[in-house]
Amino acid sequence: EVQLVESGGGLVQPGGSLRLSCAASGFTFSNYWMNWVRQAPGKGLEWVANIKQDGSEKYYVDSVKGRFTISRDNSKNSLYLQMNSLRAEDTAVYYCARGLRTIGIWGQGTMVTVSS
Amino acid sequence: QSALTQPASVSGSPGQSITISCTGSSSDVGGYSYVSWYQQHPGKAPKLMIYEVSNRPSGISNRFSGSKSGNTASLTISGLQAEDEADYYCSSYTSSSTLVFGGGTKLTVL
Repeated sequence: EVQLVESGGGLVQPGGSLRLSCAASGFTFSNYWMNWVRQAPGKGLEWVANIKQDGSEKYYVDSVKGRFTISRDNSKNSLYLQMNSLRAEDTAVYYCARGLRTIGIWGQGTMVTVSS
Repeated sequence: QSALTQPASVSGSPGQSITISCTGSSSDVGGYSYVSWYQQHPGKAPKLMIYEVSNRPSGISNRFSGSKSGNTASLTISGLQAEDEADYYCSSYTSSSTLVFGGGTKLTVL
């Protein structure tokens, strides 16, 4: 079964850091671009970042540039999102998602709450 | 990186058809045939319903169809059913090698 499972979410204070992980299974992880997509409570979907199969290209939404870093470890079938200098507006469910031009597979999401 | 424009809400009665629009620019919707539509029920992850403007993944009902004209894409759901009630999001690949989503449309089945 093709599956993406996120972990690492939680409560963090403004200015703090958090690292999200996504474990992939059921497909050849190294063959796919991967993304992080977030959804603030009661709001719509927002694409956050993506990374090429070999990690050589990475792109970010303007609001997280310089604060978030996407990375992957193909030997571990894992995707990561290092989030620094967190703000209240980063509070959201973060989804791990597979694909470049179309997201065909989504994880179940992990909640990140930024609050004092 | 402006979000694509969708109506906030649409509604229809069972058996009717509805259409949701998604307007972007020549840098996204108008420039590529990579528009997708996702269905999201409350508390659940999004689900791919349409990809590359008009293609349905395996297992998706043919009641769902997609099209595009210029900078505007559309999702049509025919023969509305109660289980179609959900939020719907469009997305497009962009000239910056990123994805952009629409603001979402809440579909109510009356």
